[in-house]
Amino acid sequence: EDQVTQSPEALRLQEGESSSLNCSYTVSGLRGLFWYRQDPGKGPEFLFTLYSAGEEKEKERLKATLTKKESFLHITAPKPEDSATYLCAANSGNTGKLIFGQGTTLQVKP
Amino acid sequence: DAGVIQSPRHEVTEMGQEVTLRCKPISGHDYLFWYRQTMMRGLELLIYFNNNVPIDDSGMPEDRFSAKMPNASFSTLKIQPSEPRDSAVYFCASSLGIQKAFFGQGTRLTVV
Repeated sequence: EDQVTQSPEALRLQEGESSSLNCSYTVSGLRGLFWYRQDPGKGPEFLFTLYSAGEEKEKERLKATLTKKESFLHITAPKPEDSATYLCAANSGNTGKLIFGQGTTLQVKP
Repeated sequence: DAGVIQSPRHEVTEMGQEVTLRCKPISGHDYLFWYRQTMMRGLELLIYFNNNVPIDDSGMPEDRFSAKMPNASFSTLKIQPSEPRDSAVYFCASSLGIQKAFFGQGTRLTVV
């Protein structure tokens, strides 16, 4: 069965304290690994797409990486405005079906 | 483009009533997804369409739920009859091919 698992469920960091979020996936025929950010009361907002192992994408303080079994979202010197829930999703096969993990809720304290 | 538009933003209804959620996808997108989000289960895919045709409805909880996409610019998710356990935030999303999906702001449904 296709599955996406994220860890940790929640993460508290001090401003400037770098860390990483993990996304493990088991899907048949991965067609893309997606990272989203969700703020309270809003819909998920797209951050990155990764298609093949070894690929990396960066945006400001965020960097996403991909291996054959997992993806990491690295947060360098985070700021309070980075506080949000980060969702990982895997696209299974040719169907376009997006399967989401439970998310990691990040809180960055000043 | 205004993005994915969902209505209403909030819906409060009594148990047993019919509820209809609406979605206008981004123009030109060929995939449309309906998700439900709860604290316990996270984001669950209910059903998705490709070129207005339902492809996979295995996530629809039971026969009380139905979804339609009569044309490329409109979709509905209907719950009849509604139950308190249906209370959740329902999201619609659209994408062009197997690429990033864009989400609407969601409909917060409360069934009392």
